[in-house]
Amino acid sequence: AQSVTQPDIHITVSEGASLELRCNYSYGATPYLFWYVQSPGQGLQLLLKYFSGDTLVQGIKGFEAEFKRSQSSFNLRKPSVHWSDAAEYFCAVGALGTDKLIFGTGTRLQVFP
Amino acid sequence: DADVTQTPRNRITKTGKRIMLECSQTKGHDRMYWYRQDPGLGLRLIYYSFDVKDINKGEISDGYSVSRQAQAKFSLSLESAIPNQTALYFCATSDIAGSPDTQYFGPGTRLTVL
Repeated sequence: AQSVTQPDIHITVSEGASLELRCNYSYGATPYLFWYVQSPGQGLQLLLKYFSGDTLVQGIKGFEAEFKRSQSSFNLRKPSVHWSDAAEYFCAVGALGTDKLIFGTGTRLQVFP
Repeated sequence: DADVTQTPRNRITKTGKRIMLECSQTKGHDRMYWYRQDPGLGLRLIYYSFDVKDINKGEISDGYSVSRQAQAKFSLSLESAIPNQTALYFCATSDIAGSPDTQYFGPGTRLTVL
């Protein structure tokens, strides 16, 4: 069965610092991987997704993620965090042949000025 | 206007009451989903629908039912609400069939069951 683990429940960084949010998945074949962001009081918005091809994926708002098959990981990165990046971030995985996604438990990002 | 709308945005109800949450979309997508979000548990799938005649249970469907009235409308009902159904509920849509693709989320409905 597919599963997604986000090991960090809460991360705090200073504005301007770099960021890496971890995501590990469990799936036998090539997964379909997603990162979503949820700002306070809002629904989820897609940041980026990976299906195949280049393992380094660029997304919106300056985020990127790298698919590493050997580590079953799809970590989200940003070189310089802005205060507006404070939100909750969800990693999700899907499998070919299904239309469903499995979501991780989320990582809450707090940004200090 | 938002592509995926949910009504109401907030609801407080009492144990045993029947509650309906509504979702409408203007994206023209066939696939629609209902999730609940609880702190520390992420999003869990309640029901999903691939078209008006195709309704499927998700991982936590007990205590819930759904109705797909049209391609654009997908309602979630709590037949007899209980306090542990207090949560944030999201509707989502997607377009591509046969493989996972981007899901577009509504703004959520915060439900409190007293």
